Order: sequence, then structure tokens, then C-alpha cells
Amino acid sequence: GDSVTQMEGPVTLSEEAFLTINCTYTATGYPSLFWYVQYPGEGLQLLLKATKADDKGSNKGFEATYRKETTSFHLEKGSVQVSDSAVYFCALIPLYNTDKLIFGTGTRLQVFP
Amino acid sequence: NAGVTQTPKFQVLKTGQSMTLQCAQDMNHEYMSWYRQDPGMGLRLIHYSVGAGITDQGEVPNGYNVSRSTTEDFPLRLLSAAPSQTSVYFCASSSQGGTGELFFGEGSRLTVL
Repeated sequence: GDSVTQMEGPVTLSEEAFLTINCTYTATGYPSLFWYVQYPGEGLQLLLKATKADDKGSNKGFEATYRKETTSFHLEKGSVQVSDSAVYFCALIPLYNTDKLIFGTGTRLQVFP
Repeated sequence: NAGVTQTPKFQVLKTGQSMTLQCAQDMNHEYMSWYRQDPGMGLRLIHYSVGAGITDQGEVPNGYNVSRSTTEDFPLRLLSAAPSQTSVYFCASSSQGGTGELFFGEGSRLTVL
């Protein structure tokens, strides 16, 4: 079945450093791809999405590009802040059942001043 | 705006006890779902509903029952709790299935002794 693989964390960075969190997927066809963020003690929030190949999703300084050649959707930010400390989840909607959202295992980001 | 409201936030049960996790949304969303979050496993879909009177199984439905008698409410029932059901449970809703744009509640932490 379709699945999402994320890099293991935690990712530890200093403030203003460049962030990359890797996400690759296995799926039939070209599913829609998503990044969600979970701040401590809260539910998940949609961060950005891309619905077709070569699309770039962006929000709050974060970006991710849908790369069908490498089946990847890596999350990037040019300059992280302490407030970005959270758990980030990559997810996809499989074409065989668009009512299901399949999540990766999550990557914890810790940003220190 | 209340959004998605889950109750209770914390619950401790003994093995074999039953309980219901409540979920209500005030956004008139057709799609609602329940996930469980476990360390190292990300979020896994338990059950979902695409509208009142319609429910379907997700990835890990065993041990859980759901019903959807109104658009607003989607309770999750544990009929005979087991230690393997110790987890954090999240309810999420969306205007319709297939968008991947979910609004999450704050979660319910369940411990089964």
C-alpha cells in the first residue's frame, strides 16, 4: 500500500539556521502531498500542500516541492525560529481511497536560541 | 470559533472497561475521522465518516466502534479497553473527504491499566 517515509529526528538547529526535513513517498500514481505541524500539547495543523508534480507549496516561510522523479516532498525553511520547534508530519492521499490521509511517523524539530 | 472539540482530554481506564471519546465540530463539515498517535508510528486512521449515517474503517479499526447520527458529532467507543489502546486520540474534520485539509482537535490522552 501507499506509504510515507520521513527522516528520524530530532533535528536540532540554532536559530536562523537552514532547515530541511526529508520526506519520500511510495504510491500508485501521483497523490496529493501535505505537511502538517504539531506544536506541543496541540493537535495537528495543515502547513502546506501540493496536488501535482512540480507544484511548490509554501506557508509561513516553509516550502516544499513535489518531485515525482525522486518521489519526494522535502520541507525547507531558510531561517528557523525558536517558535518553529514542533513535530512535522508528511502525509499523502492515496488515489485508491481519497477519503484516507496517510501520515509519516513525524520528525521533531528543536530550535535553540 | 470552537472548531473541533474533544472530551475528555485525559482518561485512565482499567482493562475491560468501556468508554466513549466525544468529538464535536461546529464548522458544518461533512467529513470526520479518528486517529491514534503512538510514539514512532505517527498517526493511524481508526474510523472515518463522509457524512451523517455513513462510517467506514480505517487502518486500525479493531476494538473501536463509531456512529454518526448528526453532522456535528462523531463519538469513538471502546467496548472493552486493552492496554494496547493506550494512546493519544485525535478527532479531525474536513469540509469534504478527499481534500486532505483536516482540522484537528487538541487530542485525548487515554491510559489503560
